[in-house]
Amino acid sequence: GENVEQHPSTLSVQEGDSAVIKCTYSDSASNYFPWYKQELGKRPQLIIDIRSNVGEKKDQRIAVTLNKTAKHFSLHITETQPEDSAVYFCAAPRFGNEKLTFGTGTRLTIIP
Amino acid sequence: EPEVTQTPSHQVTQMGQEVILRCVPISNHLYFYWYRQILGQKVEFLVSFYNNEISEKSEIFDDQFSVERPDGSNFTLKIRSTKLEDSAMYFCASSEAQRGAREQYFGPGTRLTVT
Repeated sequence: GENVEQHPSTLSVQEGDSAVIKCTYSDSASNYFPWYKQELGKRPQLIIDIRSNVGEKKDQRIAVTLNKTAKHFSLHITETQPEDSAVYFCAAPRFGNEKLTFGTGTRLTIIP
Repeated sequence: EPEVTQTPSHQVTQMGQEVILRCVPISNHLYFYWYRQILGQKVEFLVSFYNNEISEKSEIFDDQFSVERPDGSNFTLKIRSTKLEDSAMYFCASSEAQRGAREQYFGPGTRLTVT
């Protein structure tokens, strides 16, 4: 099955600086890569996703890049704000499959 | 904006008891999922459901678990005889039917505590 690894497990960033979280996946046929943000005690919330036919996607301060050859994708948050503090999970499905395999999560803390 | 809803938000039960967790997926979605998250750990897939049948299940989803869509709006997860290790947050998710990758939207979760 799909194996997703995520780094780092914790990340502290000064407010206003950028944060980068990286994930690698094992199934070369995977074609969809979502990122979820989970605040304490809340649901995972889809914040951005990318499909395998593009290399980068941006939505205001967040962006995701995909390197299919290397089988890794990254979340980039620029101009970080205190409300960005949360646990971020990457995920990937096996091709043609509904099941999302999640990474182990990154606890992002924005230092005011 | 439509959201997945779940009830109850917190369920406390004794070991060996049966529990039913309820979900109302987004109304035009046709794919439904259950995931669980043990405290402090990652989200783990349990089961997916489409067209009134299970489309995939994980090794966690053993004979103690079952899912049902009893009517046009609800989607339930039943655990027949709960164990201590079933204590977790259970999330329901749903997605539209479309070709290719499908965005999955999560409900707020039910925290299950088995004592």
